[in-house]
Amino acid sequence: AQSVTQPDIHITVSEGASLELRCNYSYGATPYLFWYVQSPGQGLQLLLKYFSGDTLVQGIKGFEAEFKRSQSSFNLRKPSVHWSDAAEYFCAVGVGNAGNMLTFGGGTRLMVKP
Amino acid sequence: GAVVSQHPSWVICKSGTSVKIECRSLDFQATTMFWYRQFPKQSLMLMATSNEGSKATYEQGVEKDKFLINHASLTLSTLTVTSAHPEDSSFYICSARVPGTVNTEAFFGQGTRLTVV
Repeated sequence: AQSVTQPDIHITVSEGASLELRCNYSYGATPYLFWYVQSPGQGLQLLLKYFSGDTLVQGIKGFEAEFKRSQSSFNLRKPSVHWSDAAEYFCAVGVGNAGNMLTFGGGTRLMVKP
Repeated sequence: GAVVSQHPSWVICKSGTSVKIECRSLDFQATTMFWYRQFPKQSLMLMATSNEGSKATYEQGVEKDKFLINHASLTLSTLTVTSAHPEDSSFYICSARVPGTVNTEAFFGQGTRLTVV
């Protein structure tokens, strides 16, 4: 069965600093990979996804992620964090038809210091 | 992108009562919808896959008699929490996929926060 690990439960960065959120997955085939962001009490917003092709994926809000098959990783990055980026971030691996059945990681809560 | 709407956004109910949560695809027809549950400060867990016109497929450990799923039309799936208890208090989120497309993500509703008192 597939699994997703987000090693960092909490991360605090200063506004304007760079950010990297780690994600490792376990899946027997080529995965569909996603990053979602969730603000308190809200649903999920898709930041970016990887299905195939270029392993460096650009998303919304200035985020990007790189799929590294050899490391089974799909880390999320942003060069300069804004205070509005404070939220919970979930990495997910998708299986089933077009990868829509999602297995989520435990999430990483991002706090941004002024 | 496609829009998925959940109703209600939040609900408080008494222990022992049943609560129905609706998940609608507003601008597309969804043959398959997914229901997730999220406990406070935890990740989302897939509960079941809802298939239009057929029985839902439940994940291991999810009680199908407690969490009734009905997907009677191509735009509506409902989750009914029967005889709710405080331990059922959680954030329930649905997602739906645009059928007939390739390499598209599932779109999520805004979630329903259920509190059982």
